[in-house]
Amino acid sequence: GQSLEQPSEVTAVEGAIVQINCTYQTSGFYGLSWYQQHDGGAPTFLSYNGLDGLEETGRFSSFLSRSDSYGYLLLQELQMKDSASYFCAVRDDKIIFGKGTRLHILP
Amino acid sequence: GAVVSQHPSWVICKSGTSVKIECRSLDFQATTMFWYRQFPKQSLMLMATSNEGSKATYEQGVEKDKFLINHASLTLSTLTVTSAHPEDSSFYICSAEGLASEQYFGPGTRLTVT
Repeated sequence: GQSLEQPSEVTAVEGAIVQINCTYQTSGFYGLSWYQQHDGGAPTFLSYNGLDGLEETGRFSSFLSRSDSYGYLLLQELQMKDSASYFCAVRDDKIIFGKGTRLHILP
Repeated sequence: GAVVSQHPSWVICKSGTSVKIECRSLDFQATTMFWYRQFPKQSLMLMATSNEGSKATYEQGVEKDKFLINHASLTLSTLTVTSAHPEDSSFYICSAEGLASEQYFGPGTRLTVT
């Protein structure tokens, strides 16, 4: 079957760095994306990796290794507003989402 | 970034009535749009893939006669929940697909069926 695995929860301290991993098993692959969702809101697009390597966008970076079917989202200089759920997603013949990682940030 | 709107943002309807939700990509054309529903503290559940000019592809377990999807133009897809029941109450979200398969989400529609 097709699936994406990511941790259900991660806790980190304000100002620190946190990494959220995602492994996937899909029949096809057109890229790995990351989305942020705050409670009560809709997801927002954070980053996309179509090729292996690191993509950096401000405090957020995303990495992909297609040979390992693995990627991660790296959040630096954590702020309280980063408390949210983070989803990885793979585009196959449709879009497949992981179950989401709830990020808790401690002051 | 690309902007996707959804209307209405919330709706309350009586059991047995139908509700139409619109999803519009405001500044780009989207051949493909997706519809999801999400229950509190759960992940997005893909309901269907909507392709402009063709029939929607529904996920297993989603009744196509109950959730009617129309993608009549490159900027508009609609989801109609027919004969709504209280168990259909949920957060419905659409996304429009960009050139790199990234998804731009609408703000969501909160449906409450009484």
